Amino acid sequence: DGGITQSPKYLFRKEGQNVTLSCEQNLNHDAMYWYRQDPGQGLRLIYYSQIVNDFQKGDIAEGYSVSREKKESFPLTVTSAQKNPTAFYLCASGFRNTEAFFGQGTRLTVV
Amino acid sequence: DQQVKQNSPSLSVQEGRISILNCDYTNSMFDYFLWYKKYPAEGPTFLISISSIKDKNEDGRFTVFLNKSAKHLSLHIVPSQPGDSAVYFCAASAGSSGDKLTFGTGTRLAVRP
Repeated sequence: DGGITQSPKYLFRKEGQNVTLSCEQNLNHDAMYWYRQDPGQGLRLIYYSQIVNDFQKGDIAEGYSVSREKKESFPLTVTSAQKNPTAFYLCASGFRNTEAFFGQGTRLTVV
Repeated sequence: DQQVKQNSPSLSVQEGRISILNCDYTNSMFDYFLWYKKYPAEGPTFLISISSIKDKNEDGRFTVFLNKSAKHLSLHIVPSQPGDSAVYFCAASAGSSGDKLTFGTGTRLAVRP
């Protein structure tokens, strides 16, 4: 089945550690996105990529890094520089001017 | 700067009645608008979209209206069903800015049986 897969579903990180969230899609979508959702807030864009080997910062990119080496994959690294990393992270993919399809999300908790 | 605003954080509606969710935007470059539905701990699912060249788009029980002069869009759900209870997000994109989606803060809809 075609879809977008995020892993893991739950992730715990110690303070000061980097952690990488996986996002894979087999929908042949050009664009991929990373969003963050905090309680009571909307989805805020972290990074997005419209083509392989290219990506742009979103509204809250500080403390995060991404790569887009393959069309199917857009991993997000939450670095130790991110001061408040505990949140629900959502990955999405889509074509130009169409709806984006979301994964099931990864809940990251800093312990 | 919140470019997409959903000023009602919650809405409660009786089953069978109409639900109207509202969304305002400030960026006049937005040319494509979408509504998503989200359950807790899940990713949002796409509901319906509208291009700026149209003022209405209908899909079954869901209709989206766009008023470009007022920079306002709304989602109508008729008739509302208990399964519609979720958080609804409005989103917008501008072709000139790389089609990234900008989301509102969401409205939690509760449909009472």
